[in-house]
Amino acid sequence: GAGVSQSPRYKVAKRGQDVALRCDPISGHVSLFWYQQALGQGPEFLTYFQNEAQLDKSGLPSDRFFAERPEGSVSTLKIQRTQQEDSAVYLCASSSNFMGERITDTQYFGPGTRLTVL
Amino acid sequence: DQQVKQNSPSLSVQEGRISILNCDYTNSMFDYFLWYKKYPAEGPTFLISISSIKDKNEDGRFTVFLNKSAKHLSLHIVPSQPGDSAVYFCAAVNSGTYKYIFGTGTRLKVLA
Repeated sequence: GAGVSQSPRYKVAKRGQDVALRCDPISGHVSLFWYQQALGQGPEFLTYFQNEAQLDKSGLPSDRFFAERPEGSVSTLKIQRTQQEDSAVYLCASSSNFMGERITDTQYFGPGTRLTVL
Repeated sequence: DQQVKQNSPSLSVQEGRISILNCDYTNSMFDYFLWYKKYPAEGPTFLISISSIKDKNEDGRFTVFLNKSAKHLSLHIVPSQPGDSAVYFCAAVNSGTYKYIFGTGTRLKVLA
């Protein structure tokens, strides 16, 4: 079966450019997460969607970061006016849980998008 | 403030021997723990998990041990195989929430 897919896999942007990163979660998965993974670090939470509702965006590092999931399936993470410190791998994950259910299911990750800002 | 710590950045083990990867946490509200494996240029892949009501969970060659009093968990791989060479991340979560908190990872190299 299809897993989580992300595109593009690699993105090079000049400082100040806007970028859009796409995530296709596993079909039917209610929950979708975005993480940022800096070099040598573990993934760090950015934001969480339950269906189309963005229930938590506390991990977004600045107001240049914006995420949406308008129809409750595909999600886009947009970064405006990119800076060099935005260079990282951006991971998307999905799970079938609803928030509040006991977490016995796991989050399944996509391959990530490696963003390099020059 | 690193709530989940993997203090060994790397580990080398001979093929066929046991690999032991360690993880410590500080937040006593965490009650579910997971291990993920990551190959280069791929996303993390779920490996094994454990609830805080257990102290051991086994799946084939992989066993996770949880010591709640010490706030410590470990992943044992027996026997280790060259294909196990990857970066291993532990993650912790309070099951009333959804935020996985990851450690910084341990790079395992299994030598043939």
